[in-house]
Amino acid sequence: AQSVTQPDIHITVSEGASLELRCNYSYGATPYLFWYVQSPGQGLQLLLKYFSGDTLVQGIKGFEAEFKRSQSSFNLRKPSVHWSDAAEYFCAVGAGEYGNKLVFGAGTILRVKS
Amino acid sequence: DGGITQSPKYLFRKEGQNVTLSCEQNLNHDAMYWYRQDPGQGLRLIYYSQIVNDFQKGDIAEGYSVSREKKESFPLTVTSAQKNPTAFYLCASSSPGTMVGYTFGSGTRLTVV
Repeated sequence: AQSVTQPDIHITVSEGASLELRCNYSYGATPYLFWYVQSPGQGLQLLLKYFSGDTLVQGIKGFEAEFKRSQSSFNLRKPSVHWSDAAEYFCAVGAGEYGNKLVFGAGTILRVKS
Repeated sequence: DGGITQSPKYLFRKEGQNVTLSCEQNLNHDAMYWYRQDPGQGLRLIYYSQIVNDFQKGDIAEGYSVSREKKESFPLTVTSAQKNPTAFYLCASSSPGTMVGYTFGSGTRLTVV
């Protein structure tokens, strides 16, 4: 069965600093991978997704992620963090046809200090 | 604009009562899902439905029930058999075959009092 590990429960970065959130997955076939962001008390918003092709994918709000098959990783990055990026971030792997059944990691809470 | 509407946003339930959470979508998505979210545990799948009049149990279905009588609607009932129902509940939908991921509602916070 597929699974997702987000090793960092909390991360604190200074505004303007770079960010990397880690995600490792376990899945036997070619994975469908997603990153979502959640503001407190809200639903999840899709940041970016990877299905195939270029292993570096661009998303909304200046985020990008790189798929590394050899490391079973799909880390999320942003070159310069803004205070509005403070939220919880979820990595997910999709199984089944077109990755339609998602399994989520436990999430990483990002705090931004000014 | 298309989207998913969950209602109510906040819900309080007395112990021993059943309560139903509403989820409606106008995205013409075939598949719908219910997740439960607890702090530090991510999202856990309760039930999902790929087509009307059909649904499957997820990882934590005990104490919950669903129906899918219409494509647009996927209500979740939290029964008195659910021992720890206080949580944040998220509904999502997707269009299988389009590879666009899920669209989520804004959630319902259920509190047992």
